[in-house]
Amino acid sequence: GAGVSQSPSNKVTEKGKDVELRCDPISGHTALYWYRQSLGQGLEFLIYFQGNSAPDKSGLPSDRFSAERTGGSVSTLTIQRTQQEDSAVYLCASSLQGGVTDTQYFGPGTRLTVL
Amino acid sequence: GNSVTQMEGPVTLSEEAFLTINCTYTATGYPSLFWYVQYPGEGLQLLLKATKADDKGSNKGFEATYRKETTSFHLEKGSVQVSDSAVYFCAAGSSNTGKLIFGQGTTLQVKP
Repeated sequence: GAGVSQSPSNKVTEKGKDVELRCDPISGHTALYWYRQSLGQGLEFLIYFQGNSAPDKSGLPSDRFSAERTGGSVSTLTIQRTQQEDSAVYLCASSLQGGVTDTQYFGPGTRLTVL
Repeated sequence: GNSVTQMEGPVTLSEEAFLTINCTYTATGYPSLFWYVQYPGEGLQLLLKATKADDKGSNKGFEATYRKETTSFHLEKGSVQVSDSAVYFCAAGSSNTGKLIFGQGTTLQVKP
């Protein structure tokens, strides 16, 4: 079946612009995660959605970052007023129920470059 | 909070050599432990996992055992191939949300 998909695959933007990154999880997966992979920070957790529960936003680096998940499926990560340090690969993952033993399946990522 | 430390790379081996990549964790509770692999130009994919102490995860000739007493989850393979060249990430799953805390990644290069 279809895996996790993300769009766009690459995004180049100018400093100060807003960007939106999209994630389509695996059908039937109730849990969705966003991570960021950068040279300086490695792979770091950003935000977690599970069903109708309040999201875990504990990994968002600043209030310029926000995310939503509509209808329990597609998610959008928004970065406002982008900065050069936001340049990274943004990864989305989904899992069946979000439990600690669940396997997370990752999308191919969106490479964001802020000029 | 949870943290994961894995050996720094790059690790360069000849084909058929024995591989060990060390990984240790600190965590509250009992996290699940994972090894993910990222092949060149590809996305992250699960290699193996273990969900409780003394469990052994295995896949594609790779193995790792969840050692609670040493808080470790070292990755091993008896005979590496050129196709194993990739970046390997050790990760611990949070005991409540399942969010993953990753190590810094270890690059493995296998030469023919």
